[in-house]
Amino acid sequence: KAGVTQTPRYLIKTRGQQVTLSCSPISGHRSVSWYQQTPGQGLQFLFEYFSETQRNKGNFPGRFSGRQFSNSRSEMNVSTLELGDSALYLCASSLGSGPTYEQYFGPGTRLTVT
Amino acid sequence: AQSVTQLGSHVSVSEGALVLLRCNYSSSVPPYLFWYVQYPNQGLQLLLKYTTGATLVKGINGFEAEFKKSETSFHLTKPSAHMSDAAEYFCAVRANSGGSNYKLTFGKGTLLTVNP
Repeated sequence: KAGVTQTPRYLIKTRGQQVTLSCSPISGHRSVSWYQQTPGQGLQFLFEYFSETQRNKGNFPGRFSGRQFSNSRSEMNVSTLELGDSALYLCASSLGSGPTYEQYFGPGTRLTVT
Repeated sequence: AQSVTQLGSHVSVSEGALVLLRCNYSSSVPPYLFWYVQYPNQGLQLLLKYTTGATLVKGINGFEAEFKKSETSFHLTKPSAHMSDAAEYFCAVRANSGGSNYKLTFGKGTLLTVNP
């Protein structure tokens, strides 16, 4: 079974631009969560989607948004990019939504904002 | 609310030596606890998890961890380090409640170096 895939793997953007990252979950998984990883802040939860609905949200500004499609694929969008948005963005999928479901992580998208 | 503290951002051991990575957690409800490993330029891989039941949990690659409620700890151990164990390790906690706030909360990570 194929794992979680994220595209693109690397991205360079300019401050002020917007960016969209994509995540395809493991087949059959209906929940997708997004995390931001930076050297300073570590791994921080962004949001979780299940059946096209946002179930959980972290403490990030409204510039960070996401959505999930009927096939469970998810996208996250960051508008008006700031230098501090440079990070590894990780997507994780799970069969369902809730504490008992194991999350499987993708390789991440490394975003560099210049 | 929950939090995780990993003691030691960098741990260095010799090949064949004991690996001990420390993790303490704080949670207002009984927790689920996890250890993940991250190799360079890769995502996170689950090593082991504690949900309920036996407090000594065995995971992949010879790792194990013990949930100690009285000490709010979940330390990761491996009897004999291998060069391939060199990676960054993350401890994580999530509430086991049925509410919506069961997001994974991670520690800052511990970089494990294995010396030949």
